[in-house]
Amino acid sequence: QVQLVQSGAEVKMPGASMKVSCKASGYTFTNYDINWVRQAAGQGLEWMGWMSPNSGDTGYAQKFQGRITLTRDTSISTAYMELTSLTSEDTALYYCARNPPRTGDFDFWGQGALVTVSS
Amino acid sequence: QAVVTQPSSLSASPGASASLTCTLRSGINVDTYKIYWFQQKPGSPPRFLLKYKSDSDKRQGSGVPSRFSGSKDASANAGILLISGLQSEDEADYYCMIWHNSAYWVFGGGTKLTVL
Repeated sequence: QVQLVQSGAEVKMPGASMKVSCKASGYTFTNYDINWVRQAAGQGLEWMGWMSPNSGDTGYAQKFQGRITLTRDTSISTAYMELTSLTSEDTALYYCARNPPRTGDFDFWGQGALVTVSS
Repeated sequence: QAVVTQPSSLSASPGASASLTCTLRSGINVDTYKIYWFQQKPGSPPRFLLKYKSDSDKRQGSGVPSRFSGSKDASANAGILLISGLQSEDEADYYCMIWHNSAYWVFGGGTKLTVL
């Protein structure tokens, strides 16, 4: 069965960087794009960026340009999201979600990775 | 003005129908967009419900009951998620999403649906 399993919760200091992983199984990793979406406590969904595991192509929300990098390791079917220069505003639950290329059918989601930014 | 706007809350009775709206900013024509809908219950990731562009271009998510359907109201420049025969299990947050400027996904702020 399709699964996206994300790395565990983290606590980061302001100014630090975070890197969340998303390990895919149950399907061909390179056949679906991976998107990253975050959700602060009690707030709505915020799209951050997408990546094609096949080509490595990426696209980022303007808000995160310059701070976000999406990468992948196809040998282990894992996608990564790195966010730098963290502030308390980045405290959120970070989700990965897969979709067929050029669609918004985010049909499978990871369980989410809670990142807390606090001194 | 936000690209996509949703009412923050909506209440409806069991067995009734609920119409959730997703209004696009003026100047963004809803007719040209596919509207994607997601359901999120507390403590769970979102679930893809359906996408709707027109009656001939739509797709239901896997396992999503047919009482969830999409439509548009061109006069309001809005996408609509219609939930008929409301059940207590439909109580959740609902988000719409569009692909904007051929460059990025945008979520609406979400609607909290209460079934009471």
